[in-house]
Amino acid sequence: QKEVEQNSGPLSVPEGAIASLNCTYSDRVSQSFFWYRQYSGKSPELIMSIYSNGDKEDGRFTAQLNKASQYVSLLIRDSQPSDSATYLCAVTRGNNFNKFYFGSGTKLNVKP
Amino acid sequence: GAGVSQTPSNKVTEKGKYVELRCDPISGHTALYWYRQSLGQGPEFLIYFQGTGAADDSGLPNDRFFAVRPEGSVSTLKIQRTERGDSAVYLCASSSWGGLAEQETQYFGPGTRLLVL
Repeated sequence: QKEVEQNSGPLSVPEGAIASLNCTYSDRVSQSFFWYRQYSGKSPELIMSIYSNGDKEDGRFTAQLNKASQYVSLLIRDSQPSDSATYLCAVTRGNNFNKFYFGSGTKLNVKP
Repeated sequence: GAGVSQTPSNKVTEKGKYVELRCDPISGHTALYWYRQSLGQGPEFLIYFQGTGAADDSGLPNDRFFAVRPEGSVSTLKIQRTERGDSAVYLCASSSWGGLAEQETQYFGPGTRLLVL
């Protein structure tokens, strides 16, 4: 079983819609969770971090964490064509906060 | 500098050759990480430095891979006897150790695309 699982997509949404990206992880004691955006041919760029159960909002982005169900999600409101990218979920395992485990990413296409 | 920098941006080499990839972290960041990303995959952890020492090298695939950070700033990833399977994007990241270990955030450089022919 992979540490972090993501649907590879592509996920297609129309401009202005809400995009919902999901990630599940295997280590029940994972404590730190991150969403990175990666444009084709570019390096990952941090979007959100979340450490506690519940929702965390930053502009059009909301991260949701449910440790009991071992999933973390990212909602993008009012999706724009410029949001089209691959979204990577990363988690840490146990008390090792420096080793990030990444999912394979979900490709998002926002259609104008 | 303003961000993590990596050189070269692209490297083409022949099977069996030796390569060095360089990373210059964000100024003041004490932690430095190397990852490898293959096409269609997420970054895969290789090694982590805290200061000059390798705190975790559990991701290095074999003894052909080695990394150093002699002065606690710039790091070099060294690959001996390169193989075609080493072809990937090698990413470097750094973080600042703000005090809450569980909230460390890693910032990535642009990567080095390595192609082994």
